[in-house]
Amino acid sequence: GEDVEQSLFLSVREGDSSVINCTYTDSSSTYLYWYKQEPGAGLQLLTYIFSNMDMKQDQRLTVLLNKKDKHLSLRIADTQTGDSAIYFCAEAPVGYSTLTFGKGTMLLVSP
Amino acid sequence: DADVTQTPRNRITKTGKRIMLECSQTKGHDRMYWYRQDPGLGLRLIYYSFDVKDINKGEISDGYSVSRQAQAKFSLSLESAIPNQTALYFCATSDQQGSNQPQHFGDGTRLSIL
Repeated sequence: GEDVEQSLFLSVREGDSSVINCTYTDSSSTYLYWYKQEPGAGLQLLTYIFSNMDMKQDQRLTVLLNKKDKHLSLRIADTQTGDSAIYFCAEAPVGYSTLTFGKGTMLLVSP
Repeated sequence: DADVTQTPRNRITKTGKRIMLECSQTKGHDRMYWYRQDPGLGLRLIYYSFDVKDINKGEISDGYSVSRQAQAKFSLSLESAIPNQTALYFCATSDQQGSNQPQHFGDGTRLSIL
């Protein structure tokens, strides 16, 4: 079955770039998602990418996909204290609606 | 996401009690899901439903049951709650149109079982 791995914690200073990494194991065509969870809230979809793409950019967010290594990263430019949250990587093979989530990366942004 | 509403937001109850968590959505989505979140374990799928007549077990369905009362409503029941079911529970929805439409989450129900 699918497996999604993430580093558990990342600490950065305000204004720096943050890079959150994720690896997945599914070998078929797949969709990869990034969600953000703020304290006391649900999961907010940030962006998603299909595995035939290398990169997707949306304002301060850049997603990079290395298909060969099955490695996904989320880069947040000019990180702000409001970006402090848990970030989840999730994966679903094409045609499947059920997601496999990583354990989440807690991003702490200090002033 | 205000379009996916979970009730109650918090619940404390005792071991052995029957509990129902409700989820309703105004997004018009056919597909609905229940997850639980535990610290350090991420989200795990309990049950999911692709339409009113469709119910499927997820990764950790033991001790839980669900009911899809209407397209907009999907409830999760714990028939006899036990302390290791203490967790944060999320409902999610997705559209069946198109491939791999992203899931949209409610704000969660924090459940504590004493």
